[in-house]
Amino acid sequence: LAKTTQPISMDSYEGQEVNITCSHNNIATNDYITWYQQFPSQGPRFIIQGYKTKVTNEVASLFIPADRKSSTLSLPRVSLSDTAVYYCLVGDINNAGNMLTFGGGTRLMVKP
Amino acid sequence: DGGITQSPKYLFRKEGQNVTLSCEQNLNHDAMYWYRQDPGQGLRLIYYSQIVNDFQKGDIAEGYSVSREKKESFPLTVTSAQKNPTAFYLCASSNRGPGGYTFGSGTRLTVV
Repeated sequence: LAKTTQPISMDSYEGQEVNITCSHNNIATNDYITWYQQFPSQGPRFIIQGYKTKVTNEVASLFIPADRKSSTLSLPRVSLSDTAVYYCLVGDINNAGNMLTFGGGTRLMVKP
Repeated sequence: DGGITQSPKYLFRKEGQNVTLSCEQNLNHDAMYWYRQDPGQGLRLIYYSQIVNDFQKGDIAEGYSVSREKKESFPLTVTSAQKNPTAFYLCASSNRGPGGYTFGSGTRLTVV
């Protein structure tokens, strides 16, 4: 299983763009990259998922370089409510037993 | 609305007792999972099931048991053999393909 490495914590200010990078050097051909957001005492919430290049939805963008050994979650113009822990997962989305391991995540603190 | 329901939200257990945490989903997802989260930590996989009547141990299965008699239900029993059961327990479900996990709102178990 591809292991992921993320920064433990990040600070930002309201209105800024935040980029959180995840390293996954051993990513396999069939693996996708998925990001989740978790608030205290709640279950993680799916944010975005991608395989290569760039994916964008109403919440975030996901940038994946050609070698796919890393990925960057981009949150545009963050607000205080974006303060949360963000997890990067890597695995084969067509194999339920393959995408299981959550790392420690990145704790994002957005300040006024 | 489709979703995943965990109950109870809070649970207190005396030492030496077994307790069962409920997880029900109406998303028609094939796979279901149980994670444990300790304060300030990431999620650790306890058990997962890809199909009815089949399940696999995760990283920290000792002291826990599960069953998958119905597609919609994946109860977790925390047995007296689990030495440090106080934690936040999260249930999730998924299907093959895009979209990632859907998580429940969690059960906070405290040993008193």
